Amino acid sequence: SQTIHQWPATLVQPVGSPLSLECTVEGTSNPNLYWYRQAAGRGLQLLFYSVGIGQISSEVPQNLSASRPQDRQFILSSKKLLLSDSGFYLCAWSVGGPRGYTFGSGTRLTVV
Amino acid sequence: QKEVEQDPGPLSVPEGAIVSLNCTYSNSAFQYFMWYRQYSRKGPELLMYTYSSGNKEDGRFTAQVDKSSKYISLFIRDSQPSDSATYLCAMTPNTGNQFYFGTGTSLTVIP
Repeated sequence: SQTIHQWPATLVQPVGSPLSLECTVEGTSNPNLYWYRQAAGRGLQLLFYSVGIGQISSEVPQNLSASRPQDRQFILSSKKLLLSDSGFYLCAWSVGGPRGYTFGSGTRLTVV
Repeated sequence: QKEVEQDPGPLSVPEGAIVSLNCTYSNSAFQYFMWYRQYSRKGPELLMYTYSSGNKEDGRFTAQVDKSSKYISLFIRDSQPSDSATYLCAMTPNTGNQFYFGTGTSLTVIP
């Protein structure tokens, strides 16, 4: 069966520090991978998506970047965090079909 | 105008009540519709999905799509405290495309 792993679950980082969030998928090949940020009252904001290794599309200009070094690995990074980067970050995968996305358990990032 | 509109609530109901959650959308090309349930501090999980117009039932949950009105609903019968969560609608014109999410409705079922 397919599973998605996302870590860490919570993270507190100082302003200006780097960030690396990792997401891995098991049990499927060549998934579409997504990074979302969820803020209260604003719903899910798509940050990045990837349809294959090394292929990254960015939806909004921001202080973050994403990479896909392996088929089932998706990494969200920042060189210098801002206070506004605080939020709940979700990784998701899909292989098409009506069932939509499968989400990871999320990372709650607090930038202090 | 947002692609998908959803009343954020919060919605509070007594145990056993029938709950109606709704979303409206603007893109007539949307064909696939999903409802996700998200417990506090967890990722969303797929609850139900439907294609085009009509109803789909799964236990206490019924998803309804009215494409002519660009309106979708999720009904929960005999609501339970364990149904307390945020419910997000999502939709897409084609399952290979990006999905568009509502902001979520927070539901609390009071014992």
